[in-house]
Amino acid sequence: DVKVTQSSRYLVKRTGEKVFLECVQDMDHENMFWYRQDPGLGLRLIYFSYDVKMKEKGDIPEGYSVSREKKERFSLILESASTNQTSMYLCASSFAQRGRNEQFFGPGTRLTVL
Amino acid sequence: DAKTTQPPSMDCAEGRAANLPCNHSTISGNEYVYWYRQIHSQGPQYIIHGLKNNETNEMASLIITEDRKSSTLILPHATLRDTAVYYCIVRTQGAQKLVFGQGTRLTINP
Repeated sequence: DVKVTQSSRYLVKRTGEKVFLECVQDMDHENMFWYRQDPGLGLRLIYFSYDVKMKEKGDIPEGYSVSREKKERFSLILESASTNQTSMYLCASSFAQRGRNEQFFGPGTRLTVL
Repeated sequence: DAKTTQPPSMDCAEGRAANLPCNHSTISGNEYVYWYRQIHSQGPQYIIHGLKNNETNEMASLIITEDRKSSTLILPHATLRDTAVYYCIVRTQGAQKLVFGQGTRLTINP
């Protein structure tokens, strides 16, 4: 079974703190993704990576950065957390090959910024 | 990516087949139909996808109409654990992101 794990299920941080969200996959997937999910807004792509040290901005990259130093690990960084970044954060991974690129998700991290 | 339309909610009795419809009348020739589901407080789970032929796996069957303007996800013997929000998504194979609409909230009743 594909396994995508995220470092925390629940996280509470204060405004201005630097926040690290970690994601690890064990399927040797090339692609990794960070989304956030908010009620009424659906899933929105923050950043994705198609290879080690490669990254592409998604639809809402402002206020976030990412790091992919190893193929299996993709980190999302909130440089200075703000209350509007309170959300459910979902990591996903997939193969790059067409026909095999369905995305597999982690359990999510529910982040609250006070 | 083409837009999809799904009923907001459906009910199904445990043990019966759950048939979830999806309209995608503007689908183009190179777009696939994907289905995901999300159980409360969990990450989305991939179910199945197809282009124009019907597909079946261990979780579900996907029936796509000949004109490809609509499809139906079938859970053959629904259980209480199938209660979730089901999302129908249309995307090209090369697309990087998933765009989830509002989905169908399926409730399986004992």
